[in-house]
Amino acid sequence: QVLLVQSGAEVKKPGASVKVSCKASGYTFVSYDVNWVRQAPGQGLEWMGWMTTNSGDTGYSQKFQGRVTMTRDTAINTAYLELSSLTSEDTAVYYCARGPPLRSYVDYWGQGTLVTVSS
Amino acid sequence: QSVLTQPPSVSAAPGQKVTISCSGSSSNIGRNLVSWYQQLPGTAPKLLIYDNDNRPSAIPDRFSGSKSGTSATLGITGLQTGDEADYYCGTWDSSLSVGVFGGGTKLTVL
Repeated sequence: QVLLVQSGAEVKKPGASVKVSCKASGYTFVSYDVNWVRQAPGQGLEWMGWMTTNSGDTGYSQKFQGRVTMTRDTAINTAYLELSSLTSEDTAVYYCARGPPLRSYVDYWGQGTLVTVSS
Repeated sequence: QSVLTQPPSVSAAPGQKVTISCSGSSSNIGRNLVSWYQQLPGTAPKLLIYDNDNRPSAIPDRFSGSKSGTSATLGITGLQTGDEADYYCGTWDSSLSVGVFGGGTKLTVL
């Protein structure tokens, strides 16, 4: 079965960076995109960007341009999200989610990674 | 402020039917396909509907989706207490070049 397993919770200080991993199994990793979506406490879903796992091409929300980097390691079927210059407003659960190429939906989600930014 | 507009909450009795609306614009719902997600408390979202009105194989036919113009609707029939969750619509916004979600609707099954 399709599984996306994310790395554990992180606590970071303002100004720091965080890197979250998402290990995929149960399907051909390079045949699907990986999207990243975050959810602040008590809030709704916010799309951050996508990555084509085959080529490594990325598309980021303007809101995160310059602070976000999405990468992958196809040898270990793992995608990564790195977010820099963290502020308290970046405290959220970060989800990776698989998306069929060129489609506007995601069909499987990771379990989420809580990132807390606090001094 | 979400790009897509959903009612904050809806409620209905067990066994009844409920609909959840999602309103957008010509740059998002008006020209792209809509999906719906269910998020049970404390869990990751789950895909319910894709491409406006298609259900993944594991999703029961009590769940349905439709789209007209710049709005979309999720319908749930035969409500069960286990359907209590937050529901989100989503699509692509061609002007913003970004994925967008509604603010979410909390369903209460009374």
